[in-house]
Amino acid sequence: DTGVSQNPRHKITKRGQNVTFRCDPISEHNRLYWYRQTLGQGPEFLTYFQNEAQLEKSRLLSDRFSAERPKGSFSTLEIQRTEQGDSAMYLCASSVDSYQPQHFGDGTRLSIL
Amino acid sequence: AQSVTQLGSHVSVSEGALVLLRCNYSSSVPPYLFWYVQYPNQGLQLLLKYTSAATLVKGINGFEAEFKKSETSFHLTKPSAHMSDAAEYFCAVSDQGGKSTFGDGTTLTVKP
Repeated sequence: DTGVSQNPRHKITKRGQNVTFRCDPISEHNRLYWYRQTLGQGPEFLTYFQNEAQLEKSRLLSDRFSAERPKGSFSTLEIQRTEQGDSAMYLCASSVDSYQPQHFGDGTRLSIL
Repeated sequence: AQSVTQLGSHVSVSEGALVLLRCNYSSSVPPYLFWYVQYPNQGLQLLLKYTSAATLVKGINGFEAEFKKSETSFHLTKPSAHMSDAAEYFCAVSDQGGKSTFGDGTTLTVKP
């Protein structure tokens, strides 16, 4: 069990730029989740996948956000035309199925200048 | 819709004292409940989970939580706090699909 890996750990970018984050889940985990966490708050659900299928997207996920999980392995989260309010920690988690606890990565911290 | 309320954004205890972190939930279906711990600049680590097998759940590092359906509560306790317990703690409720809703967290400070 090598754990959930997220890259990069930190991303600093200018407002208006596009950014992409990567998440590598635990290899046998079929479920993959993305959350956003701002200072002083708990993680907020963004979206999740069952293998390569994206099953649900939060209303928080505007059309500037897109997530993919090609071949049901790693996942990417892209934010286009970043805004100041996108500054947050983006957390990825994976689980064997919907009934098992989620294993979290250490997150990608996004800072918008 | 499901929700979680954690009472007390900051809790401070002395080393060796009882730790009590409060969590109340709302769920339209029998819930899956979890407690996670988060250290600075890290992801969340599972402490324990409730999945209807037993109302008193034991977790890692000496923590336990009791599910009380009548009170819709799932409070986290530890008999004796250790300095290494200082962290942020999150209660979460999960639906049948696995989507989790988290509380806003409680920061635990342990005084020597």
